[in-house]
Amino acid sequence: AQTVTQSQPEMSVQEAETVTLSCTYDTSENNYYLFWYKQPPSRQMILVIRQEAYKQQNATENRFSVNFQKAAKSFSLKISDSQLGDTAMYFCAFTSRGAGNMLTFGGGTRLMVKP
Amino acid sequence: GAVVSQHPSRVICKSGTSVKIECRSLDFQATTMFWYRQFPKQSLMLMATSNEGSKATYEQGVEKDKFLINHASLTLSTLTVTSAHPEDSSFYICSASSGGGWSYEQYFGPGTRLTVT
Repeated sequence: AQTVTQSQPEMSVQEAETVTLSCTYDTSENNYYLFWYKQPPSRQMILVIRQEAYKQQNATENRFSVNFQKAAKSFSLKISDSQLGDTAMYFCAFTSRGAGNMLTFGGGTRLMVKP
Repeated sequence: GAVVSQHPSRVICKSGTSVKIECRSLDFQATTMFWYRQFPKQSLMLMATSNEGSKATYEQGVEKDKFLINHASLTLSTLTVTSAHPEDSSFYICSASSGGGWSYEQYFGPGTRLTVT
């Protein structure tokens, strides 16, 4: 079974600064996807970024980028130029061919961006 | 992007009654829908996976007779909490996927807050 671990329950960052959220996972599969989801106070789940395991290049979406270390099974999220609207819960998630289309979520990291 | 709606957004019901939550994909056909439960300050817990026209697959520990899931069409899935009790109070989220493959993105509904009094 796959597991996803987020070791930082809470983090804070000053507005305009950079913050990195950690995620590690465990799987025996080679073909999988990793995701970061944002859940703001509205509780709507929003996809932030996606990484395909077979792609070595780290995914980037505007101010959001990942550091994907496949051998270490690590998938961290870097948020640059943090904005107040980035305040939210962030969930790392995993899916693989063996899991069908099911997502396995990490426990989440609560990020607070301070003015 | 693809839009998934849930109705109602909030519901309060009395203990012992049943409540139905609808999940609709508005602009795509959802071959697979997922139902999650989320307790305060916790992660999403998958309850069940449903494919259109077939019985839902429930995760271990989820009572299928209590949480009835129907996926009768490619745009609608319903979750019925039967004989609700206060411990069923939670935030329920559905998601939908359009593809038959494993790598297709899940699109999430806005969630339903259920309070059982």
